[in-house]
Amino acid sequence: EAQVTQNPRYLITVTGKKLTVTCSQNMNHEYMSWYRQDPGLGLRQIYYSMNVEVTDKGDVPEGYKVSRKEKRNFPLILESPSPNQTSLYFCASRPDRGLLSYEQYFGPGTRLTVT
Amino acid sequence: AQRVTQPEKLLSVFKGAPVELKCNYSYSGSPELFWYVQYSRQRLQLLLRHISRESIKGFTADLNKGETSFHLKKPFAQEEDSAMYYCALTFGSSNTGKLIFGQGTTLQVKP
Repeated sequence: EAQVTQNPRYLITVTGKKLTVTCSQNMNHEYMSWYRQDPGLGLRQIYYSMNVEVTDKGDVPEGYKVSRKEKRNFPLILESPSPNQTSLYFCASRPDRGLLSYEQYFGPGTRLTVT
Repeated sequence: AQRVTQPEKLLSVFKGAPVELKCNYSYSGSPELFWYVQYSRQRLQLLLRHISRESIKGFTADLNKGETSFHLKKPFAQEEDSAMYYCALTFGSSNTGKLIFGQGTTLQVKP
């Protein structure tokens, strides 16, 4: 089944404790992206990647890191989480076939709470 | 800057009533516009895109470039339409085209 998976789905952690949220897609998509969803703000892009070893900042990159060593994986790293990073995180992927109209496929979300 | 605005946080209607979820955007070029839907406990998924001019689950959306709007409409709401709806815009070249989302509108269809 074609899908985007994220792990963990739920995570409660403490301020300053490094964590990684994994994202994997099995559709051979070039483009991958991380969003955070906050009430009243919708989804905002954190980082995106156009292909292996090519990443760039989205609208709210502060406090996050990403890597793209393999096409299928795009982990989100919080080196020193803070309470304002408590949010619902979505990973998404899309093929890059020269058209903007391709839909993005979203993962199930990771609910992160930082205390 | 590119922006998507959904003015209603919550839209509550009775089953069988018409629905219109509003979306306005600001972008000077030719954007690609989408509606994404998130049903309870499910992942975000594409509902429709303007380029396809399609009707999905009875929903349609027309791009009005003069008013920079992309409102989502359905003539007769069903209870299963209750969900969070996001209008989104993408632009630029295909390999850098990120999605810019509106704030989302919760549609509540009452029996």
